[in-house]
Amino acid sequence: DAKTTQPTSMDCAEGRAANLPCNHSTISGNEYVYWYRQIHSQGPQYIIHGLKNNETNEMASLIITEDRKSSTLILPHATLRDTAVYYCIAMYSGGGADGLTFGKGTHLIIQP
Amino acid sequence: DTAVSQTPKYLVTQMGNDKSIKCEQNLGHDTMYWYKQDSKKFLKIMFSYNNKELIINETVPNRFSPKSPDKAHLNLHINSLELGDSAVYFCASSHRLAGGRLAKNIQYFGAGTRLSVL
Repeated sequence: DAKTTQPTSMDCAEGRAANLPCNHSTISGNEYVYWYRQIHSQGPQYIIHGLKNNETNEMASLIITEDRKSSTLILPHATLRDTAVYYCIAMYSGGGADGLTFGKGTHLIIQP
Repeated sequence: DTAVSQTPKYLVTQMGNDKSIKCEQNLGHDTMYWYKQDSKKFLKIMFSYNNKELIINETVPNRFSPKSPDKAHLNLHINSLELGDSAVYFCASSHRLAGGRLAKNIQYFGAGTRLSVL
């Protein structure tokens, strides 16, 4: 799996868009970018993933640069419940029984 | 219904004991996992398992062993517990799909089992 780099922590005001960056400059052509989050004392939760096109679902949007060396997770209207550690993971999604390799993630704090 | 459920939620035990943590998923998935989150909050894969293969993280001591009675269950047995085994253990499951643009390897996690070894 390609190494990813994320800021250690970020703050965002409630109701604003939270933009979480991730660098994955060594990502290979068949590796997807996955985002998970872990709210305090809970299990990790899948948010979104993508290969090279931008993706959107009910939770977030994922913007991947054209060269695929970085991406941004966007929470469009952050709420206090979005306070969590967010993990960006680059990995091949070939259907194998691969465990996720979690880094340190970004601790996002939503301020009231 | 909880998709991935683990029992017990809390487990406090003495060093040297043998214990088990149970995990069940009702999602119809074919692959299950165990992760360990230590006191510094690092999450690490321990095992991944489906009906064809068991993949073991080489750093996991052989005191830890997964047991799968069927596709919906993957239990974790730990022998001769040590202080350093204190952590939160998460079970997860996923479904492997072939081809296409469909979601692959999206993992669903349980709420965790907090193990304290005294």
